[in-house]
Amino acid sequence: GQQVMQIPQYQHVQEGEDFTTYCNSSTTLSNIQWYKQRPGGHPVFLIQLVKSGEVKKQKRLTFQFGEAKKNSSLHITATQTTDVGTYFCAGHGTASKLTFGTGTRLQVTL
Amino acid sequence: EAGVAQSPRYKIIEKRQSVAFWCNPISGHATLYWYQQILGQGPKLLIQFQNNGVVDDSQLPKDRFSAERLKGVDSTLKIQPAKLEDSAVYLCASSSVRKPFNAFFGQGTRLTVV
Repeated sequence: GQQVMQIPQYQHVQEGEDFTTYCNSSTTLSNIQWYKQRPGGHPVFLIQLVKSGEVKKQKRLTFQFGEAKKNSSLHITATQTTDVGTYFCAGHGTASKLTFGTGTRLQVTL
Repeated sequence: EAGVAQSPRYKIIEKRQSVAFWCNPISGHATLYWYQQILGQGPKLLIQFQNNGVVDDSQLPKDRFSAERLKGVDSTLKIQPAKLEDSAVYLCASSSVRKPFNAFFGQGTRLTVV
């Protein structure tokens, strides 16, 4: 079945440092979505990318969708303590099934 | 607009007992998902409905889990009998059939099986 892996599993940075998480799917995706889950909370939608090679920015966050539509990345510039949480990618593969990645937990300290 | 409603928020049961979770999606959302999230892991899709039809239930342990979405609105997820490894947060989500198809999640039900 479709599998979506993310690396790293966990990253601890100091405030102001950059952060990147990578997402890889075993199958081609029709789109890739990114979610953020705060500790004790539920996943909250951040953005969706649809086109091959697409890049989108949201303030300090940059999202990329790979050319083969099987991988994606999220880069945060100059992290802040408010960025703490777990970041999940999720994609629609065959049969419109929405599969979530394994997640990357980000910890930011002053 | 009102969000996805789930109940109960917390449930503690003994193994071999049964339990049911309820979800009311955002009004007008045709797609409804049930995910199981074990602590420290990503949400695992148990079942996905489009209206009242099943799109995918390949990861639903059908010997003990069942779900229904009568009338294409509310949904219930049942576990019978529960096992210790079923301890997790059960998340319900819904999405529109219009772009961007993103899922809106409820607060989840935290199940502890002892």
